[in-house]
Amino acid sequence: AQTVTQSQPEMSVQEAETVTLSCTYDTSENNYYLFWYKQPPSRQMILVIRQEAYKQQNATENRFSVNFQKAAKSFSLKISDSQLGDTAMYFCAFMNLGSIQGAQKLVFGQGTRLTINP
Amino acid sequence: DVKVTQSSRYLVKRTGEKVFLECVQDMDHENMFWYRQDPGLGLRLIYFSYDVKMKEKGDIPEGYSVSREKKERFSLILESASTNQTSMYLCASTYLSGNTIYFGEGSWLTVV
Repeated sequence: AQTVTQSQPEMSVQEAETVTLSCTYDTSENNYYLFWYKQPPSRQMILVIRQEAYKQQNATENRFSVNFQKAAKSFSLKISDSQLGDTAMYFCAFMNLGSIQGAQKLVFGQGTRLTINP
Repeated sequence: DVKVTQSSRYLVKRTGEKVFLECVQDMDHENMFWYRQDPGLGLRLIYFSYDVKMKEKGDIPEGYSVSREKKERFSLILESASTNQTSMYLCASTYLSGNTIYFGEGSWLTVV
């Protein structure tokens, strides 16, 4: 069974600092996606970054980057030059693409509440 | 513009009532998912579906059932609502390629 674990329930940093959110996952599959989603108080889910498991290069999106360690099953998110608008709940997610229809399960972690202080 | 629509944003139901939560997507997605979100527990998968009339149990299916009679519509059913099912319910959908996930706005259910 696929599981996703976020071990940091809450984090708090000062504006402009760099922060890293941790995520580990468990799977026996080789073909999957990993995601980081941001959920502000509006509760709308916003894609931050996506990583395909077959790609060795770590994904980056402006101030957001990941450290994808496939063998260790680790997928951490680094936010550089943090801004007040980054304050939100962050969810790590795993989607098994599977080899047959019906095997595509999308699983989320428990979330990390990130607060950026002025 | 792509849309995943959850029919009810806020519901209040009585214990023992049958509750239907509907999710409709307009993108011809194969995969659809139902989650509940509770503080400290994240998003927990209840059921998912990869095709019409096909369904698979997620991690917490007890007390819930689902229906997918048409590709665009995935319904979550609480046969006999209980107070511990008070939560925010979130629907999501994707293509089989899985590279983009679309979410509904969430349905807040209170069972009294």
